[in-house]
Amino acid sequence: SQTIHQWPATLVQPVGSPLSLECTVEGTSNPNLYWYRQAAGRGLQLLFYSVGIGQISSEVPQNLSASRPQDRQFILSSKKLLLSDSGFYLCAWSATVGQPQHFGDGTRLSIL
Amino acid sequence: QKEVEQNSGPLSVPEGAIASLNCTYSDRGSQSFFWYRQYSGKSPELIMFIYSNGDKEDGRFTAQLNKASQYVSLLIRDSQPSDSATYLCAVNEDYGGATNKLIFGTGTLLAVQP
Repeated sequence: SQTIHQWPATLVQPVGSPLSLECTVEGTSNPNLYWYRQAAGRGLQLLFYSVGIGQISSEVPQNLSASRPQDRQFILSSKKLLLSDSGFYLCAWSATVGQPQHFGDGTRLSIL
Repeated sequence: QKEVEQNSGPLSVPEGAIASLNCTYSDRGSQSFFWYRQYSGKSPELIMFIYSNGDKEDGRFTAQLNKASQYVSLLIRDSQPSDSATYLCAVNEDYGGATNKLIFGTGTLLAVQP
């Protein structure tokens, strides 16, 4: 069966520090991969999605970036975090277009 | 802007009752519809998905889709306190064909009273 791993579970970072969140999927090949952010009390905002290695689509212009160095690895990065980057970051995968997306456990990011 | 709308609630139902959660969407070309359950502080968990007009049942859950009215609903029969969570409706965004993107509603908070 397929599993998705996301780490760390919680992270506290100072303003201006870099960020790297990692997500890996097991048990499937060539998944579609997604990064979302959920601000407190708000809906899910799609940040990036990827249909293959090196293929990244950005949904929201901001100081975040994403990379997919391997088929089942998706990384969310920032060079300098802002206070507004706080939130619950979720990685998800789907088998193909139109199929359900399945979420990892998420990373709760607090910026001080 | 393409939107998915849900009543934020809270929707309060007594234990054993039927909970009815509703969602409307603006993109008439959407083809895939999903319901997720999200417990407080946790990530969303897929409950149901539906692609065709009509009803789809899975255990205590029934998803209903009416594309003409751009309306999708989730019924939970025999509601249990453990069903208390936020329920997110998600709809694929149509770009005239295949698309990877889902648009999420902000969710309805369901509270099942013992």
